Parts: sequence; C-alpha cells; structure tokens
Amino acid sequence: KQEVTQIPAALSVPEGENLVLNCSFTDSAIYNLQWFRQDPGKGLTSLLLIQSSQREQTSGRLNASLDKSSGRSTLYIAASQPGDSATYLCAPGGSGTYKYIFGTGTRLKVLA
Amino acid sequence: NAGVMQNPRHLVRRRGQEARLRCSPMKGHSHVYWYRQLPEEGLKFMVYLQKENIIDESGMPKERFSAEFPKEGPSILRIQQVVRGDSAAYFCASSPPGLQGAEAFFGQGTRLTVV
Repeated sequence: KQEVTQIPAALSVPEGENLVLNCSFTDSAIYNLQWFRQDPGKGLTSLLLIQSSQREQTSGRLNASLDKSSGRSTLYIAASQPGDSATYLCAPGGSGTYKYIFGTGTRLKVLA
Repeated sequence: NAGVMQNPRHLVRRRGQEARLRCSPMKGHSHVYWYRQLPEEGLKFMVYLQKENIIDESGMPKERFSAEFPKEGPSILRIQQVVRGDSAAYFCASSPPGLQGAEAFFGQGTRLTVV
C-alpha cells in the first residue's frame, strides 16, 4: 500500500527565497509522479508531471526531481512570490490501476 | 477543450437524503477517479472507473456510496442516506485511455454540506 509523506507540513518564508519541498513514498513501482497546487477552497492545479523514466522536469520557476529507487521527489521553487502561497501536493501514480495517492501536503506562505 | 467539469459546485443535503455528484471528464478521456477531501485533511482515493467498469473501488466506504461511469453521460458519485461525516469536498479527475503514466486533470470539486 502506497504511503506518501511530505515535509515540511507548513512553511512560511519571506518573498524572494528559494524553496525546497520534499516528498517521500513507500512503493517505488510507480508510472509517474505529479505535483499539484491547491488554493484554499479551490481545486487542484497540476504543476509538473515526471514520468518514472525521467529524473526531473522544469516549468518556469519550478523544478521537480524524482529518485524513484529511493522513493523521493523534490519540488524546488525559485525566487518565491506571495502568489506562490498555497498547499503543494505530491502524488505518485501507481502501477496497474493508475490511481494517484496523495501526500498531506506542504502549506506554503510567502510573505511580501 | 473544456477541463474536467463537476457539478454542482456546492450541495447542501439534510441528514438521510441522497447526494448525487456529477463529473464530466475532459474530451477524449475515459478514465475517471473520485477523491474525497475532509476538512483539514488530504485527498483520499475513493474509486477509479473506466467507461462502464469499476476498476478499483478500494477507497469507497462499504455502505451508502456507489459510483458509475456509463457509456453515455457523466460519471456519478452517489451517497445515500447522508450523514454529517460525509461533509467534504469531492474531487473528480480524468486521464486519457491507453497511456501509462498519463497526466491526471482535476475538476474544481463539489463541496457537500450535510445539515
């Protein structure tokens, strides 16, 4: 059974800092891993998708890495902005049934 | 190409009533997933469906909850005889067929309140 842990649970930083959000998962038999953003009371926005054969993906100020064998993924946010404030969710996509299992998220607050 | 559409966005039901939540996947997507998010908690997988088939319902409560994805029309998550503990946000996601590792897209969710 896949279990996903995200560290830290909450993070409050001044604007402009570079950030590292960590995700670990117990079952390395995954097809891919997605990082999402969730704003309060809203749905999920997909940020990055990393296939199991890839080691990283980049989109703008975001970079996600994947070490499948050790069950870890990291989301880097460069030059953080107040608009980045949200909850960030990691979700490895399992083999077989394709379902995504979510971590509990990192609640990020970027102060102006 | 419209995204994943869920309706209603907000639903209020009295205890004992039935709640029906609808999800229209993105065009061309035949895989649908339902998740539940309780207040201040993470998203929990409920069920994974393909057209006319339930593939994985390991996260569905054993009673009162059912899901379907008919050949025509949206996927439906049905909750019978709702209780206060069913109050949550219910999210639907879809992905395209036949592609292992395909990206999942989420709807905006239905927020169910049981009074």
